[in-house]
Amino acid sequence: DQQVKQNSPSLSVQEGRISILNCDYTNSMFDYFLWYKKYPAEGPTFLISISSIKDKNEDGRFTVFLNKSAKHLSLHIVPSQPGDSAVYFCAASAGTSGTYKYIFGTGTRLKVLA
Amino acid sequence: KAGVTQTPRYLIKTRGQQVTLSCSPISGHRSVSWYQQTPGQGLQFLFEYFSETQRNKGNFPGRFSGRQFSNSRSEMNVSTLELGDSALYLCASSLQGRNLETQYFGPGTRLLVL
Repeated sequence: DQQVKQNSPSLSVQEGRISILNCDYTNSMFDYFLWYKKYPAEGPTFLISISSIKDKNEDGRFTVFLNKSAKHLSLHIVPSQPGDSAVYFCAASAGTSGTYKYIFGTGTRLKVLA
Repeated sequence: KAGVTQTPRYLIKTRGQQVTLSCSPISGHRSVSWYQQTPGQGLQFLFEYFSETQRNKGNFPGRFSGRQFSNSRSEMNVSTLELGDSALYLCASSLQGRNLETQYFGPGTRLLVL
């Protein structure tokens, strides 16, 4: 049973437009969420996180929104740049300590077209 | 500071064989975690080692094992390989291993089981 789902395996966006990546979860105990970015032949790198006490967290061009009632989070990238082309994973945990508690989604491949 | 290195980068094995993967963490990092990445399941936590002791373990069969040496380098072993073990195996290191945001991932070892 996939507790964290990224239903869109891929997404193409024009440079300069907004990219919206979605993530749904089923476990209501999840209270901390992260987004990771992964380039080919490289390991994932941490992008942005959000705690369940917030509904929005912003870091430069990246904003994560959390809708607890819908068990849904999204990552907005504005404006999108060709260098943002990568695979994006969301991850969730119930409790922030202990890396083993994180459940990852299957990833969404973003392609930003120049 | 050198990043996390994993060897080999690519590996082809046949069913029934065993394989050993190696991970060298960032200097000074004592925690090493291993993950399996497949298209259908995303990243799944295998186990974490800290100061030569397995601290946490994911839901994988006993065919998957690991160890950590006194210099914090870690190895992962998979015995009696199955076709479904074909995946990208990622290791990540951190100082204490408590916070996923402070983990640094290696580029991974891509294993193909024929």
